[in-house]
Amino acid sequence: NAGVTQTPKFQVLKTGQSMTLQCAQDMNHEYMSWYRQDPGMGLRLIHYSVGAGITDQGEVPNGYNVSRSTTEDFPLRLLSAAPSQTSVYFCASSYAPVSPLHFGNGTRLTVT
Amino acid sequence: GESVGLHLPTLSVQEGDNSIINCAYSNSASDYFIWYKQESGKGPQFIIDIRSNMDKRQGQRVTVLLNKTVKHLSLQIAATQPGDSAVYFCAENNGRDDKIIFGKGTRLHILP
Repeated sequence: NAGVTQTPKFQVLKTGQSMTLQCAQDMNHEYMSWYRQDPGMGLRLIHYSVGAGITDQGEVPNGYNVSRSTTEDFPLRLLSAAPSQTSVYFCASSYAPVSPLHFGNGTRLTVT
Repeated sequence: GESVGLHLPTLSVQEGDNSIINCAYSNSASDYFIWYKQESGKGPQFIIDIRSNMDKRQGQRVTVLLNKTVKHLSLQIAATQPGDSAVYFCAENNGRDDKIIFGKGTRLHILP
């Protein structure tokens, strides 16, 4: 099993550009989430989903959109990138909301 | 290279000694706690979890202790090895919603 797969691994954007960070899991997990990780800040929750068709906001949702059309995929969209969104982004999944998360290896995003 | 965790507290432990990593939480309603290990360039990896109806749980070489009175969580690693060198995060669920919120992390440095 591949687990949680994130693409791309690295991305550089100019301010104002849009892009989608992809996340797919093959473990049939209902719960998926997105975190960003900045130096000294730990991981902060952006958005999460408890199942297909259901999404909710985390701690830092502004500037990001998500959708969950299938159980397997949970893409994160940046509509108009800003330098403050420079970070490492991690997608995670688990079989239930309150259970151990399985993380992908992250996408390192730089916005110039 | 490693760019996250530049300003994290660091615990230095002699190889072979036991390590104790601490975490304080503020929400007395939190009912699920997890410890993760993050190595350089990778996503966090689940170590062990504990629910609020327990005060101790043991895994392979690891023990988690939960003190609800003082809202304190600790991770004990027995006979610390070079491969234990990483950043360790505690995370919690507040018992009200489906969010898993992370603490800021502690870097564990193993001395030869």
